[in-house]
Amino acid sequence: GESVGLHLPTLSVQEGDNSIINCAYSNSASDYFIWYKQESGKGPQFIIDIRSNMDKRQGQRVTVLLNKTVKHLSLQIAATQPGDSAVYFCAENLWGKLIFGQGTELSVKP
Amino acid sequence: DTEVTQTPKHLVMGMTNKKSLKCEQHMGHRAMYWYKQKAKKPPELMFVYSYEKLSINESVPSRFSPECPNSSLLNLHLHALQPEDSALYLCASSQAGPGGTYEQYFGPGTRLTVT
Repeated sequence: GESVGLHLPTLSVQEGDNSIINCAYSNSASDYFIWYKQESGKGPQFIIDIRSNMDKRQGQRVTVLLNKTVKHLSLQIAATQPGDSAVYFCAENLWGKLIFGQGTELSVKP
Repeated sequence: DTEVTQTPKHLVMGMTNKKSLKCEQHMGHRAMYWYKQKAKKPPELMFVYSYEKLSINESVPSRFSPECPNSSLLNLHLHALQPEDSALYLCASSQAGPGGTYEQYFGPGTRLTVT
């Protein structure tokens, strides 16, 4: 079926290092992608988005890369901090529906 | 104000009870959503309202009944739920438009336990 998946379920990084979270999607018709951060006991929080007519977008300490050829999305977090510890979900918009990937749990070691 | 609020924060209900979850936003968004999220899983779309009309129902059982009384409010009425319906119920809102390519803002969710 159609799905958005993540390559790694967990990622552990040292504070100050850069983090890269990957996501594979299977729907070529998806035209909009979002990364969300979800901390324990909270709802998903928007991090950054990218439309299908772009291949890179930068925010504050975060960069999203989109490779439509291989249907791959990544989130890069620069200088990872303990407050970045959370579950990260990629999501794709397909015909007005947001479909979430399985999530990667990021753990930042001090 | 970029906040979506949800009440109650926690809800415990028996299988014969009727209860409602409430969601509110004041961002002028005309699209509102209900999602269900089980532990350690991604959110799953249940319903989408666009301009106060139900536009998407993801084959959700009729024991879940959504309602959008006005552009700021979204309710989810619950009746005769099963224990497997226990989950975090998330509300979200966004600008409305063709294709849905707008950022969705999520509320903190209601943690529902069905006994």
